[in-house]
Amino acid sequence: KAGVTQTPRYLIKTRGQQVTLSCSPISGHRSVSWYQQTPGQGLQFLFEYFSETQRNKGNFPGRFSGRQFSNSRSEMNVSTLELGDSALYLCASSLAEAYSNVLTFGAGSRLTVL
Amino acid sequence: GNSVTQMEGPVTLSEEAFLTINCTYTATGYPSLFWYVQYPGEGLQLLLKATKADDKGSNKGFEATYRKETTSFHLEKGSVQVSDSAVYFCALTIGGSQGNLIFGKGTKLSVKP
Repeated sequence: KAGVTQTPRYLIKTRGQQVTLSCSPISGHRSVSWYQQTPGQGLQFLFEYFSETQRNKGNFPGRFSGRQFSNSRSEMNVSTLELGDSALYLCASSLAEAYSNVLTFGAGSRLTVL
Repeated sequence: GNSVTQMEGPVTLSEEAFLTINCTYTATGYPSLFWYVQYPGEGLQLLLKATKADDKGSNKGFEATYRKETTSFHLEKGSVQVSDSAVYFCALTIGGSQGNLIFGKGTKLSVKP
């Protein structure tokens, strides 16, 4: 079956712009999580959506937002981009089964802010 | 708070050498523990997991045992191959079904022929 699909794979923006990233989870997966990966901070949790509701949120400013649609596809948005937002953004989906939850990650969207 | 500490890299080994990557954790509650691997240019893949104390996760020759007494989840492989070259991440989650993993900084492994 198809894996987690993230689009676009690469993009370049300038400071002050906004960006929207998309994630299509594995069919049947209702949970979608987003992570930011940078060389300095490593992998940091952004937020998780389950059945169109934000279930958990990491420690990021309000410029970072997301949503989930009824078909479980998710988008994340970053407004007023800063140079420090340059990162690989990873999306992961899961069945959200208690005590055996396994996240399947997409290949990521690499954002460069100039 | 909850955190994961893993050994700094990079680690360089010769093919067929023994591998250990140390991972220790701090957690409130009862975490599930994971090792993920990231090959160059790819996303993360689950390597193995353990959901309770004394569980041993294993996959592709890699093993890790959930040690509650030492709060550790060290990754081991008896004989590494060039194809094992990647970045390895230790991670935990509290609460079972949640999607918010806490990751270690990652350890880059390079295996030379």
